[in-house]
Amino acid sequence: AQSVTQPDIHITVSEGASLELRCNYSYGATPYLFWYVQSPGQGLQLLLKYFSGDTLVQGIKGFEAEFKRSQSSFNLRKPSVHWSDAAEYFCAVGPFNTGTASKLTFGTGTRLQVTL
Amino acid sequence: EAGVTQFPSHSVIEKGQTVTLRCDPISGHDNLYWYRRVMGKEIKFLLHFVKESKQDESGMPNNRFLAERTGGTYSTLKVQPAELEDSGVYFCASSQDRIAGELFFGEGSRLTVL
Repeated sequence: AQSVTQPDIHITVSEGASLELRCNYSYGATPYLFWYVQSPGQGLQLLLKYFSGDTLVQGIKGFEAEFKRSQSSFNLRKPSVHWSDAAEYFCAVGPFNTGTASKLTFGTGTRLQVTL
Repeated sequence: EAGVTQFPSHSVIEKGQTVTLRCDPISGHDNLYWYRRVMGKEIKFLLHFVKESKQDESGMPNNRFLAERTGGTYSTLKVQPAELEDSGVYFCASSQDRIAGELFFGEGSRLTVL
């Protein structure tokens, strides 16, 4: 069965500092990988996704993520964090075969706090 | 274009009562999903509609949960009777096609069962 691990429940960084959120997955086939963000009072918003090709993917709001197959990881990074990035971040994995239901398996989330 | 809307945003009920959550997907999206997050845990898949048909309901916890999608438009998720462990945030998402991950989520309906 597939699973997603986000080892950091809560991270605090200073505004302007760099950020890396960790995500490891276990999946029996080629996965689709995603990062979603939930800001307070908002729904989940897709930050970026990886299907194939270049293993470094760019997303919205200045985020990027790198797929490392050998490490089963898909870590999210941002070079300089803004106070508005304070939110909860979710890594998710989905089935590669588009003939199946598109249900995602999520990690438990990482809550990011940004100090000024 | 309106996003996915969910109602109510928060519901507080007593154990044994019934609650119905509603989701209006983005217009034209045939695929509608329900997910649930119990506090501190991961967001878990409940079920998937394609138009009015249930494509996958493997994540539904038990028969106290009933999901419907009338005419392939809005969807409801009824919990009857509610138990304490049903508390959590219920998310609805919709997508235009079945490619994994192109999901648009609503803000969620928080259910508190006392």
